[in-house]
Amino acid sequence: AQTVTQSQPEMSVQEAETVTLSCTYDTSESDYYLFWYKQPPSRQMILVIRQEAYKQQNATENRFSVNFQKAAKSFSLKISDSQLGDAAMYFCAYRSGGSNYKLTFGKGTLLTVNP
Amino acid sequence: SAVISQKPSRDICQRGTSLTIQCQVDSQVTMMFWYRQQPGQSLTLIATANQGSEATYESGFVIDKFPISRPNLTFSTLTVSNMSPEDSSIYLCSLATGTTRDTQYFGPGTRLTVL
Repeated sequence: AQTVTQSQPEMSVQEAETVTLSCTYDTSESDYYLFWYKQPPSRQMILVIRQEAYKQQNATENRFSVNFQKAAKSFSLKISDSQLGDAAMYFCAYRSGGSNYKLTFGKGTLLTVNP
Repeated sequence: SAVISQKPSRDICQRGTSLTIQCQVDSQVTMMFWYRQQPGQSLTLIATANQGSEATYESGFVIDKFPISRPNLTFSTLTVSNMSPEDSSIYLCSLATGTTRDTQYFGPGTRLTVL
């Protein structure tokens, strides 16, 4: 079974600075997807960024980018120019390719942004 | 992207009772799912809600405890039956959409407290 590990239960960053959240996963599959979701306090789970395993190029969405290292099974999220609104719980998630849609989540990293 | 709503947004229930949670989408989607997020924990897939047929449950979840309906492509319900305090969680529906249907988007969640 696939597992997703987020080794940083909590992280903090100063406003306008950059922070990197770590995620590693374990799988024997070659076709899969990886995601970062953001869950602000008492608010909705929001998709931040996604990465297809077959793509070598790292995904980027505005201030959010990933460092996808397939051989190392690592999928870190970099947040640049951090804003107060970035404060949230961040979850890394894995989905197999094909018809199995199940998302397997890590335990999450709580990000605090200090003004 | 599709707009997802859930009712109720929160509820406090007595032990032994049942609660039905509704998930409504503003457009037709093929794949809908139900997740549970226990306090301070990550998300766990309960089941895939199949339109016109019985839901597909993950290991550890059974139909008698979590009956699911999916009468059409825009609506699904999850019932939490014979509740105990251990059922206190956030319950979220999600959908997979788009041409590749590889990405899931989440509803706002229902926060359930069982006394």
